[in-house]
Amino acid sequence: RKEVEQDPGPFNVPEGATVAFNCTYSNSASQSFFWYRQDCRKEPKLLMSVYSSGNEDGRFTAQLNRASQYISLLIRDSKLSDSATYLCAVNTSPGGYNKLIFGAGTRLAVHP
Amino acid sequence: DGGITQSPKYLFRKEGQNVTLSCEQNLNHDAMYWYRQDPGQGLRLIYYSQIVNDFQKGDIAEGYSVSREKKESFPLTVTSAQKNPTAFYLCASWGPSLGEDYGYTFGSGTRLTVV
Repeated sequence: RKEVEQDPGPFNVPEGATVAFNCTYSNSASQSFFWYRQDCRKEPKLLMSVYSSGNEDGRFTAQLNRASQYISLLIRDSKLSDSATYLCAVNTSPGGYNKLIFGAGTRLAVHP
Repeated sequence: DGGITQSPKYLFRKEGQNVTLSCEQNLNHDAMYWYRQDPGQGLRLIYYSQIVNDFQKGDIAEGYSVSREKKESFPLTVTSAQKNPTAFYLCASWGPSLGEDYGYTFGSGTRLTVV
């Protein structure tokens, strides 16, 4: 079983739709969690950290469920510019070091 | 502006040749990382370094080597022992990344192709 798993998609949605991605992780000792956005042939960029209480940034909402070991990302009112691959990342913090394990990514395509 | 600079952007390697990928950061971050990304796949950790003159193997270190002689620099050498080196290589550092949130900042990557 992979340490971090995501549905690869693609998710094809019309503009204005709401779309949700899930990501499961296997290490129950994981300390912190992140969503990154990666455009085609570019480097990943931090979209948002995921807090235990859940957090929202504009149209984006991230949730953490430690009991079930998954994190989620909700995008409301999708824009064409949201088309990208979304990577979840889990910080396993071995020995106090920070070390992110990434999922393979979920591809989102928003169409007019 | 602070950031991470990777060079070159594209690199072509002949069979049996060693090549070195450069990674420089001016973010004053202690920890630096090298990842490899293959098409349609996630990032896999090659090596990481928490402080100068110290580094640890990641999940796929075989065929790679690194050094950390300066805080700002973390070069990666892809040796001839790496049998399938064609990939997108990403360097990252850990520190304040989005406002006050801590996370990785990535360089723009190096695309390595074996010819």
